[in-house]
Amino acid sequence: GQNIDQPTEMTATEGAIVQINCTYQTSGFNGLFWYQQHAGEAPTFLSYNVLDGLEEKGRFSSFLSRSKGYSYLLLKELQMKDSASYLCAQGGTDSWGKLQFGAGTQVVVTP
Amino acid sequence: DTEVTQTPKHLVMGMTNKKSLKCEQHMGHRAMYWYKQKAKKPPELMFVYSYEKLSINESVPSRFSPECPNSSLLNLHLHALQPEDSALYLCASSQVDSNQPQHFGDGTRLSIL
Repeated sequence: GQNIDQPTEMTATEGAIVQINCTYQTSGFNGLFWYQQHAGEAPTFLSYNVLDGLEEKGRFSSFLSRSKGYSYLLLKELQMKDSASYLCAQGGTDSWGKLQFGAGTQVVVTP
Repeated sequence: DTEVTQTPKHLVMGMTNKKSLKCEQHMGHRAMYWYKQKAKKPPELMFVYSYEKLSINESVPSRFSPECPNSSLLNLHLHALQPEDSALYLCASSQVDSNQPQHFGDGTRLSIL
């Protein structure tokens, strides 16, 4: 199986930067997705990395190192609305369409 | 608002009832998914349809029966559910390409009495 590890919870203040780390098993790797999920709502797609390096999308950036089995999501200029669960999900080569989700990191933004 | 529409938003049913969850998308996606999500847990994949054919069944009990009538619609038929089946049921769709993200609906919150 694929083990995805990410921290359970992180707290940061408004305007700050938070980095959410995600580690995964490198065998059968076929891309890494980040989703945001507010309580009681649908997960929404944030970013996708399949090659090494940094992908930047406004206040959010995602980084991938395939050799280390490591990714992070960087949230800059935090806003109260960024309080949510952030899910790291790995695509696998063994079965198309099958995403393996991490348990999610609950980010709490305080005033 | 999401581009994947699920109905109903909430459903309460007894263990002997039969009901159906519905999902619709008009993004031209040819892959559709059902997930189950418990509180404070990540989504768990149940079924995947690709070009209207079932391609993945994650050993889901037969009391859950998926159906894909056409490329825009996905149903999940429910019968004789158990209290532990109470959860948020999410539908998602994507292009048939592992590099493309899945787009989720808002889900149906199901409670089994």
